[in-house]
Amino acid sequence: NAGVMQNPRHLVRRRGQEARLRCSPMKGHSHVYWYRQLPEEGLKFMVYLQKENIIDESGMPKERFSAEFPKEGPSILRIQQVVRGDSAAYFCASSPQGPNEQFFGPGTRLTVL
Amino acid sequence: KQEVTQIPAALSVPEGENLVLNCSFTDSAIYNLQWFRQDPGKGLTSLLLIQSSQREQTSGRLNASLDKSSGRSTLYIAASQPGDSATYLCAGGGSNYKLTFGKGTLLTVNP
Repeated sequence: NAGVMQNPRHLVRRRGQEARLRCSPMKGHSHVYWYRQLPEEGLKFMVYLQKENIIDESGMPKERFSAEFPKEGPSILRIQQVVRGDSAAYFCASSPQGPNEQFFGPGTRLTVL
Repeated sequence: KQEVTQIPAALSVPEGENLVLNCSFTDSAIYNLQWFRQDPGKGLTSLLLIQSSQREQTSGRLNASLDKSSGRSTLYIAASQPGDSATYLCAGGGSNYKLTFGKGTLLTVNP
């Protein structure tokens, strides 16, 4: 049973470009969470999704960031017009229904030049 | 708003020592408490999950406890090994089950 998969593992973008981060949850998991780990800071919740629904996006920056979890395919975290402050490690986690254990992917490390 | 604090920020011990990592949280209305391990440049590995109705969980040399009334959790590591060196994170599960993380304890176990 493969774990949570994220790709790419490393992503380099220039200021103003778009970044698209992908997350495939564990088999049988229908809940996906995105977290961001800024340098020298703890992980912060960004968004919680179920298939085709955004349940809680209280941690998402109001502009430039969006997330989706379509009926088919991986969850996508999209950052438009990236700035240097977006440089961070972005982690995806998945869980089965309810308040269960969350399993994390290896993360995508975004560097904005 | 939930806040999670971990003490100490860093800990260095000789191999074989038993040790305790501390985690405190401000909102006792948590659904669960999860401990993770993070190696440098890597993802998070889930170590133990304690549901709000539970007091402790054990896995091998690890034991985690949860006291909701005092807002505290501890992770006990028995007979530490150099391979245990990593950053240990605790996270409280709240509304919509999103996790609020502490900043972690960087553990170094010296051979």
